[in-house]
Amino acid sequence: GAGVSQSPSNKVTEKGKDVELRCDPISGHTALYWYRQSLGQGLEFLIYFQGNSAPDKSGLPSDRFSAERTGGSVSTLTIQRTQQEDSAVYLCASSKGGETQYFGPGTRLLVL
Amino acid sequence: GEDVEQSLFLSVREGDSSVINCTYTDSSSTYLYWYKQEPGAGLQLLTYIFSNMDMKQDQRLTVLLNKKDKHLSLRIADTQTGDSAIYFCAESQKGFQKLVFGTGTRLLVSP
Repeated sequence: GAGVSQSPSNKVTEKGKDVELRCDPISGHTALYWYRQSLGQGLEFLIYFQGNSAPDKSGLPSDRFSAERTGGSVSTLTIQRTQQEDSAVYLCASSKGGETQYFGPGTRLLVL
Repeated sequence: GEDVEQSLFLSVREGDSSVINCTYTDSSSTYLYWYKQEPGAGLQLLTYIFSNMDMKQDQRLTVLLNKKDKHLSLRIADTQTGDSAIYFCAESQKGFQKLVFGTGTRLLVSP
């Protein structure tokens, strides 16, 4: 596609519920990243996928967070048993594996 | 460790030049970036510089890199009201492509 797309654009959920956030990277991009932007923590790296290699999960804040990337393209970030501190904007980016990451518009998550 | 710092706020008048500064601590960074974020929007890549360069110019944007002092700056010439946004610097490391972002500088351009 023309750019990185994310869905939903906004999500409101109740504490304790699970949520799934989706990212469609730019066609042909082999690398995919998830970041989180929150008031208290700024922009934080969460997880990185590169081709068929094992993902780098070093930024995931807890075991309630997981992500997968199917067929080397679309990725889903899952947050289980959401907490209020999970409220943030979740940003996805993709790159050809080189130096430039292109970001999607983000999903704004609000946990009540 | 990794730490990227920016001043929080900058206010300029339309037509003036804006200079946004950034300091980083990881000397192994290979690329340094400037991203722009407008309200309610994602991050837009403005420009980037490879660590073996000391300057890069792209239309109204000039990036200066002082690797010795680990200091990066973004100069916007003839700043316009449409340039009002938050500007983030970021660094990446060779072989490990995650970006480490600064705190962001909010630029306000007044008419």
